Amino acid sequence: AQSVTQLGSHVSVSEGALVLLRCNYSSSVPPYLFWYVQYPNKGLQLLLKYTSAATLVKGINGFEAEFKKSETSFHLTKPSAHMSDAAEYFCAVSDLAGAQKLVFGQGTRLTINP
Amino acid sequence: DAGVIQSPRHEVTEMGQEVTLRCKPISGHDYLFWYRQTMMRGLELLIYFNNNVPIDDSGMPEDRFSAKMPNASFSTLKIQPSEPRDSAVYFCASRGQGSNQPQHFGDGTRLSIL
Repeated sequence: AQSVTQLGSHVSVSEGALVLLRCNYSSSVPPYLFWYVQYPNKGLQLLLKYTSAATLVKGINGFEAEFKKSETSFHLTKPSAHMSDAAEYFCAVSDLAGAQKLVFGQGTRLTINP
Repeated sequence: DAGVIQSPRHEVTEMGQEVTLRCKPISGHDYLFWYRQTMMRGLELLIYFNNNVPIDDSGMPEDRFSAKMPNASFSTLKIQPSEPRDSAVYFCASRGQGSNQPQHFGDGTRLSIL
């Protein structure tokens, strides 16, 4: 069965600093991987997805993630944090074997310090 | 394009009352998912439908919970009778064909059972 681990339930960075949110997955087959962002009182919004094409995936709002099969990781990064990036971020995995469900990590709350 | 539409956005009711949450998926999407989000348990999948047919309801917590999808453009999640521990944010999401497609979330219904 697939699973997702997000390291760090809370990450705090200064405005302008690098953002790094960690996600490790386990899957019996090559996965599809997703990062979602959730702003207060809103639903989850897709940031980016990996679907077995390029291993470096660019998403919205300047975020990107790199799929590393050897490390079973899909970490999310942004070179320079902005105050508007403060939100909760979720990593999710789906597999190619036909399961239609997404398995979500527990989420990482990102705080941006001025 | 209209996204996933959920109603009501907020619901406050007394214990024992029936609660009905509504969802309109994105037109053309074949899959519809109902989730519950709480601080303690995170994001939980309750049930999902494919082409209006319930496929997996293993996440439905109790018989008090039921979900229907009478047509491709409408789904309901009902709780009867409601209990304080049902208080949570309930999300509906829809998705097109293929597990590489992202799920699109509504803005949720915040349910408070007094």
